[in-house]
Amino acid sequence: DVKVTQSSRYLVKRTGEKVFLECVQDMDHENMFWYRQDPGLGLRLIYFSYDVKMKEKGDIPEGYSVSREKKERFSLILESASTNQTSMYLCASTRQGFRGQPQHFGDGTRLSIL
Amino acid sequence: QKEVEQDPGPLSVPEGAIVSLNCTYSNSAFQYFMWYRQYSRKGPELLMYTYSSGNKEDGRFTAQVDKSSKYISLFIRDSQPSDSATYLCAMSEGGKLIFGQGTELSVKP
Repeated sequence: DVKVTQSSRYLVKRTGEKVFLECVQDMDHENMFWYRQDPGLGLRLIYFSYDVKMKEKGDIPEGYSVSREKKERFSLILESASTNQTSMYLCASTRQGFRGQPQHFGDGTRLSIL
Repeated sequence: QKEVEQDPGPLSVPEGAIVSLNCTYSNSAFQYFMWYRQYSRKGPELLMYTYSSGNKEDGRFTAQVDKSSKYISLFIRDSQPSDSATYLCAMSEGGKLIFGQGTELSVKP
């Protein structure tokens, strides 16, 4: 079974802090994704990566950046956290090919910005 | 208009009922259709995966895709309290996945 592990289940930070969310997958998947999930808005894609050191903007990249130094690890960075970034953050991965491949998700990090 | 529309519910049914969950979409290029189940405080897990039109059955779950109507459904037979979760539809034309809002389902004993 694919395992996608997010380093923190719950995180509380203050406005203006730099926040790192970490994600690791154990299935040698090429593609990794970061989403945020908000009530009434569903899942929205922030960034994705299809290879080490490669990244692509999703639908809502503003205020975020990412890092992919190793194939198994994909980090989401909030450069200067703001209260509107309080959300559930989900990491996902899928194998190369991408065409219609179902994504495998971690259990999420619930982030609160005070 | 959103690309994928899904009634958020909540939907409450008695144990044993047949549940029907639905999504409509606007992009006729979508070919890959998925249903995810998400329990409280957990990530989404893949439940059903369908390519193009037709039906797919897996135990108590049946996924239907009607591309002519741009409509997909998930049926749950003999629903159980353990089916209580949020169900998300997702679809793709081969690129990124587009998700519905999710429907919150509660199955009462």
